[in-house]
Amino acid sequence: QAVLTQPSSLSASPGASASLTCTLRSGINVGAYRIYWYQQRPGSPPRYLLRYKSDSDKQQGSGVPSRFSGAKDASANAGVLLISGLQSDDEADYYCMTWHSSAWVFGGGTRLTVL
Amino acid sequence: EVELVESGGGLIQPGGSLRLSCAASGFIVSNNFMNWVRQAPGKGLEWVSILYSGGTIYYADSVKGRFTISRDHSNNTLYLQMNSLRAEDTAVYYCASPVFTDYGMDVWGQGTAVIVSS
Repeated sequence: QAVLTQPSSLSASPGASASLTCTLRSGINVGAYRIYWYQQRPGSPPRYLLRYKSDSDKQQGSGVPSRFSGAKDASANAGVLLISGLQSDDEADYYCMTWHSSAWVFGGGTRLTVL
Repeated sequence: EVELVESGGGLIQPGGSLRLSCAASGFIVSNNFMNWVRQAPGKGLEWVSILYSGGTIYYADSVKGRFTISRDHSNNTLYLQMNSLRAEDTAVYYCASPVFTDYGMDVWGQGTAVIVSS
């Protein structure tokens, strides 16, 4: 079982909100981990959005709008990327990442479609 | 301006070797954690290796024993020596570093493409 699991796709309407999840493998407690989020548009390198561990340990990437925010769903053992006020150029692949067992680990990515 | 520029990619036969470079500007490579991350065509991101400022190195299991990460302080450049290349190493290789944050990767290069094929 992968360390980080993301749904492969998600669709949402312009102006709506989207919640992208990143579920940690059973036995790995999300509360102990910083979860990093990246956005990647076709043909471009990943763009750092933010990291979130808790409300007292979080960081927004430089120039990243506040409508991108992080959270955790402890009951689901998941990190969450919240995007409010969806815009057409939010359509991209989104990856979560964390440090585990002396390695950076990426989730498989979620393709967000805004339509 | 902070920037990372990768070079050295290309077409290489299976079993061959290649050295990738990542030239940094606007910050000092030796003072930062430096990473290589790759992305196979149509696939997700895969971390390859990290070189800490203090010299500690880690590799992904998929490249351990074949790839070597290093840096040159004099020309502020990160390297990835790739030996015994396989078809599954075909990917765009990015270097990335936490320049404005304390960990993770917030500055990325544009990437260099490596194609392993006969």
